[in-house]
Amino acid sequence: KQEVTQIPAALSVPEGENLVLNCSFTDSAIYNLQWFRQDPGKGLTSLLLIQSSQREQTSGRLNASLDKSSGRSTLYIAASQPGDSATYLCALATGNQFYFGTGTSLTVIP
Amino acid sequence: GAVVSQHPSRVICKSGTSVKIECRSLDFQATTMFWYRQFPKQSLMLMATSNEGSKATYEQGVEKDKFLINHASLTLSTLTVTSAHPEDSSFYICSATFGGNRELFFGEGSRLTVL
Repeated sequence: KQEVTQIPAALSVPEGENLVLNCSFTDSAIYNLQWFRQDPGKGLTSLLLIQSSQREQTSGRLNASLDKSSGRSTLYIAASQPGDSATYLCALATGNQFYFGTGTSLTVIP
Repeated sequence: GAVVSQHPSRVICKSGTSVKIECRSLDFQATTMFWYRQFPKQSLMLMATSNEGSKATYEQGVEKDKFLINHASLTLSTLTVTSAHPEDSSFYICSATFGGNRELFFGEGSRLTVL
C-alpha cells in the first residue's frame, strides 16, 4: 500500500527565505503528484501538478520536482512571504486511488 | 483552473436532524467526485467515491446509511448526513476530477456543527 510522508510537520521561517518542503512515497508506480495549499477552515487549492513522465513544474515562486526512483517530491518556495503561511499537502494518484500526505504547516514570520 | 463549489460553507443543526451538502463542478463535467472528512490538524480521510449515475463506493468503516451520497449529474454530488449527532461534527470537503490526467479540484469545504 502506498504511504505518503511529509517532513517536517511544521516549519517556521523568516520572510524572504527560500525553503523546501518534502514529500516521500513508498511506491513509485504513480500516475501523477499534486501539491496543494490549505488555509485554515478552507478547502485545498491546487498549486502544481506533475505528471509521472515529468521531472518538475514551475509556477511563479513555486517549483515542484519529482524523482520517482527515490520516491521523493519537493516543493521549493522562493522568497517566502507571510501570505505563504498555510498547510501544504502532496497527493499521489495511482490507478484508481489518491493518497495524501499529512501536510507541512508553514509559518512565514514578517 | 477548474472550479468546484461547495455549499453551505457552514451549517449548525440540532442532533437528530439531517443535513445536505452540495458539491458542484462549475465549468467542467466531473467524471468522479470524492467526499472527505477532515479532523483538526489531520489530513483528509476519504469517505466515498462517486461516479455519475452509479452508487457511491464507500471506504471501510464509513456508514453508507448515515452518509448518503448522490451523484445525479456530471456536475453535482450531494452528501447527506442523516440523523446527525455531535460526533458527526467535522469539516467535510469534496473534490472532483475529469478527463485522463486525474487532476483533483477541491471545493471550499463545509463545517458541520451538530448541537
